[in-house]
Amino acid sequence: SYELTQPPSVSVSPGQTASITCSGDGLGYKYACWYQQRPGQSPVLVIYQDSKRPSGIPERFSGSNSGNTATLTISGTQAMDEADYYCQAWDSSTGGIFGGGTKLTVL
Amino acid sequence: EVQLVQSGTEVKKPGESLKISCKGSGYSFSNHWIGWVRQMPGKGLEWMGIIYPGDSDTKYSPSFQGQVTISADKSISTAYLQWSSLKASDTAMYYCASSRPPNYFDYWGQGTLVTVSS
Repeated sequence: SYELTQPPSVSVSPGQTASITCSGDGLGYKYACWYQQRPGQSPVLVIYQDSKRPSGIPERFSGSNSGNTATLTISGTQAMDEADYYCQAWDSSTGGIFGGGTKLTVL
Repeated sequence: EVQLVQSGTEVKKPGESLKISCKGSGYSFSNHWIGWVRQMPGKGLEWMGIIYPGDSDTKYSPSFQGQVTISADKSISTAYLQWSSLKASDTAMYYCASSRPPNYFDYWGQGTLVTVSS
């Protein structure tokens, strides 16, 4: 079965750039998206179709997807960005799948 | 304003049946996919399945195929997730979420907590 792999945790200093990766076989040939989930809250879409930002998502969030890896980049990371981040891919035959999630710590 | 409002917390016993709901408003319910996502305590998100209310086209994750049933009633803009016989391992938060194309979820409900315990 298809799997998406994320690092369990990433740490970043305030104001620096955080990069969270999501790896899967041939992921670059599928659309990837990213969700942010703060404790006790529902997930929020921050990137869709590899690199598009929904309305209301700050410009510091960006995404890319090539080869076997999709990457979420947060530039000028702020304390409020501390959360769990999940990638998700879509396959027309098997549906959607989430990565295991990455806990972003801003310290 | 797009809203997805889910039914409330459920506490059930193993073997019991359950149907939880998700009511959409502020958009064309029939023309957007509605999906369900499981989050077990302290764990990550799991994609369960998705339905297109306009024609009831439904796709299940292989992990959930046969374990749950997803349905929708477009006349009342409501989607459902149901179990015929709950297990303790079904204890989780369940989210509904919507999307125009099926490959991402742009709006999410508040979640329904399901606890299954004897």
